[in-house]
Amino acid sequence: DAGVTQSPTHLIKTRGQQVTLRCSPKSGHDTVSWYQQALGQGPQFIFQYYEEEERQRGNFPDRFSGHQFPNYSSELNVNALLLGDSALYLCASSLSGAENYGYTFGSGTRLTVV
Amino acid sequence: DQQVKQNSPSLSVQEGRISILNCDYTNSMFDYFLWYKKYPAEGPTFLISISSIKDKNEDGRFTVFLNKSAKHLSLHIVPSQPGDSAVYFCAASVTGAAGNKLTFGGGTRVLVKP
Repeated sequence: DAGVTQSPTHLIKTRGQQVTLRCSPKSGHDTVSWYQQALGQGPQFIFQYYEEEERQRGNFPDRFSGHQFPNYSSELNVNALLLGDSALYLCASSLSGAENYGYTFGSGTRLTVV
Repeated sequence: DQQVKQNSPSLSVQEGRISILNCDYTNSMFDYFLWYKKYPAEGPTFLISISSIKDKNEDGRFTVFLNKSAKHLSLHIVPSQPGDSAVYFCAASVTGAAGNKLTFGGGTRVLVKP
């Protein structure tokens, strides 16, 4: 049973560029959340998608946007990249209503902005 | 505004001894608490959780204690093993809030010495 799959694993982008990160949830899960983990810090909630809609959003600017597809997979898009966007981006999947049983996290995408 | 704090960035313990990790929170709405373990180049993995209606939850070598009046929780690992060396994150959520997003602490790096 595949867990959460994220692609790519590593990415280097230039300031001002745009990036798209992808996530396939664990089989049976219908909800995808995205987190940003800066170096030496804990993950910070970006937003969550359920039924192809953004259900909840953290304190991130509009440059961060997302999408969920009918097969529950999801994309995170970041426009006008800043150096401060360099971080590990984690995708977590869950079954709606059963989040307290624990989210399943992917291994993340390491984004470096130069 | 850091709602979940792990004040010890690192902890070193001898194999076989007890590891105690601490976590404080400020948001009284949090009613569910989780601990995640993270190895390098991997996503966080769920370890153990506790609901605010309990003050203790045990799973094998791992026990989580919750002191609601102090807004404090701790994770005990007994006995500690070298494979426990990792970064541990405390997380909190509000049950019933759409999606139960997780608010993480900054993490504690644990090193178990053989």
